[in-house]
Amino acid sequence: AQTVTQSQPEMSVQEAETVTLSCTYDTSESNYYLFWYKQPPSRQMILVIRQEAYKQQNATENRFSVNFQKAAKSFSLKISDSQLGDTAMYFCAFKVQGAQKLVFGQGTRLTINP
Amino acid sequence: NAGVMQNPRHLVRRRGQEARLRCSPMKGHSHVYWYRQLPEEGLKFMVYLQKENIIDESGMPKERFSAEFPKEGPSILRIQQVVRGDSAAYFCASSGQISTDTQYFGPGTRLTVL
Repeated sequence: AQTVTQSQPEMSVQEAETVTLSCTYDTSESNYYLFWYKQPPSRQMILVIRQEAYKQQNATENRFSVNFQKAAKSFSLKISDSQLGDTAMYFCAFKVQGAQKLVFGQGTRLTINP
Repeated sequence: NAGVMQNPRHLVRRRGQEARLRCSPMKGHSHVYWYRQLPEEGLKFMVYLQKENIIDESGMPKERFSAEFPKEGPSILRIQQVVRGDSAAYFCASSGQISTDTQYFGPGTRLTVL
C-alpha cells in the first residue's frame, strides 16, 4: 500500500520569504503522479502543482516549484516570495498511474505573517 | 467552464436521519471520486464512479453508505442513519476521459451530525 508522509504539521514564515514544505512517500510502483494541493480557510481544495514520475525535470508554476527526488521518494514544495494569500493547509498527494484514488498526506499548516 | 459543483455546502442532520450529498462534475468529465476529510486530517478516498457504474468502492464503509452516478444528473453520496462519527467534510472530485488525469475538487459539503 502507498503512504504519504508530511513531517511538518505547522510552519510559519514572514511575507516575501521562501519556504519549503516536505513530503515523502512509499511505493513499489515505478509509474505514478505526485501533487500538491492547497486548502485555504474556505476549505476548497486547489491544485498547486503536479509532477509525473517519469519526468526528471522538476515542475514549476510561477512562484511554486518542486524538488522531486525519485530515488529518495521525496517531493518537496518550494514557495518563493511568499504572500499572505499563501496561508493555507498544504497536502501532498500520490496516485499510481492507471489507478484512480489519490493518497493524501496529513497536511502542513502554513502561515504567512505580514 | 464551471468547476465541480457540490451542494449543499453545509448539512446538519440528527442521529438516525439520512444525508444526501450531490456532486456535478466539470463539463466534459466522466469520472467522479468521493473523499472524506475528518477534522485535522487529510482526505481519504471513498469511491470512484463513472456514469452508471461504481468502479472502486474500496474506501467506502460497508454499511449505511452508498453512491451513484446516474446517466442523467449529479452523483449522489448517501449516508443512511447517520451517527456523530459521520461528521466530516465530504469532497467530490472529477477528471476527464483518461482516468489518469488530474482530479479537480469541488468546495466540499460539511456534514454535522447532532
